[in-house]
Amino acid sequence: NAGVTQTPKFQVLKTGQSMTLQCAQDMNHEYMSWYRQDPGMGLRLIHYSVGAGITDQGEVPNGYNVSRSTTEDFPLRLLSAAPSQTSVYFCASSYSTGHQPQHFGDGTRLSIL
Amino acid sequence: DQQVKQNSPSLSVQEGRISILNCDYTNSMFDYFLWYKKYPAEGPTFLISISSIKDKNEDGRFTVFLNKSAKHLSLHIVPSQPGDSAVYFCAFLNTDKLIFGTGTRLQVFP
Repeated sequence: NAGVTQTPKFQVLKTGQSMTLQCAQDMNHEYMSWYRQDPGMGLRLIHYSVGAGITDQGEVPNGYNVSRSTTEDFPLRLLSAAPSQTSVYFCASSYSTGHQPQHFGDGTRLSIL
Repeated sequence: DQQVKQNSPSLSVQEGRISILNCDYTNSMFDYFLWYKKYPAEGPTFLISISSIKDKNEDGRFTVFLNKSAKHLSLHIVPSQPGDSAVYFCAFLNTDKLIFGTGTRLQVFP
């Protein structure tokens, strides 16, 4: 049982480039979410999904897109990377909304030059 | 406008003593509260939770206290162990969104 898998673990981009951060879970969880962690800011919610075909914005959605075509996958897209998006990104999943403890992946460390 | 505050960025405690981590919130609509623990280079892991209808929940060495009138959440770890050294985040459920605090780094020394 792999849990929540994030790829890649590390990535360096140039300003303006696009990229997709992958997140997959094998626990048949309905709820999935993306967070970013920055020094002194804790974890901030970017986007979340309560089920396949349904997505919604979190606290800091600007500059990011998501889609949820399957229960297992919840990719995060940066269409035009900016230095302010340098961060560590975490994907999480749970059976239902935030009531259930969320299971986190090990993160993607992203640097934008 | 930060809805959740962990005012102590770090805490150092001797092994065997009690560790107390604190969290304050402003939104009285929160109805479920959680603590997560995070080691370096890993994702956060769930530790303990409490519903707004309770004021205390225990799980082994970990106890969470909720004071709704003061809008204050705390986590007690007793006895503290070196393996408890990590960053601890409080988190609050706001409808479908989980809002995290800024974290407190706990160091337990021998």
